[in-house]
Amino acid sequence: KAGVTQTPRYLIKTRGQQVTLSCSPISGHRSVSWYQQTPGQGLQFLFEYFSETQRNKGNFPGRFSGRQFSNSRSEMNVSTLELGDSALYLCASSFGRASGRGNEQFFGPGTRLTVL
Amino acid sequence: GESVGLHLPTLSVQEGDNSIINCAYSNSASDYFIWYKQESGKGPQFIIDIRSNMDKRQGQRVTVLLNKTVKHLSLQIAATQPGDSAVYFCAETSFYSGYSTLTFGKGTMLLVSP
Repeated sequence: KAGVTQTPRYLIKTRGQQVTLSCSPISGHRSVSWYQQTPGQGLQFLFEYFSETQRNKGNFPGRFSGRQFSNSRSEMNVSTLELGDSALYLCASSFGRASGRGNEQFFGPGTRLTVL
Repeated sequence: GESVGLHLPTLSVQEGDNSIINCAYSNSASDYFIWYKQESGKGPQFIIDIRSNMDKRQGQRVTVLLNKTVKHLSLQIAATQPGDSAVYFCAETSFYSGYSTLTFGKGTMLLVSP
């Protein structure tokens, strides 16, 4: 089956702009989580959406937001971009069951965002 | 390919050696642990997992050990191959987050020489 897809793969923006990233989960998966990966901070959880509702949220400022559509596709938005927002943004999808192994997260290849 | 980390500890081994990658976790409430492998230009890929009621789990060429007393995980790779070269992350999660929030360790870069 098709894996998690993310678009675009690469993006260059300037400070102050906003950006929207897209994630299409594996068919049948209802949960989409977003992570930010940087050399300094590693992989950090942003938020998780399940059935169009934000279910968990990490410790990021309000400039980072997301949403999920009825087909489980998700978008994340970053407003007023800062240089420190340059990162690889990863999304992961899962069935969303609270049963550990039954909730294996499958990651997409990421979107590389560069803020100039 | 993309660099996923400029400040990662690195483990260099020869092909055929056994590799051991270590990870310390922080949350005593975590009850489910996963090891991921990330190759250049790709997202993390599941390797093996372990629940907190176990102390060892084996897969194909990989073994995960869990020591809850000192909050330590290790990943053992037998007969390491050049294709194992990647960055390895441990991740922890818990029932309280619905197993949907992963907290990742900093990662270790494994370099395998032929």
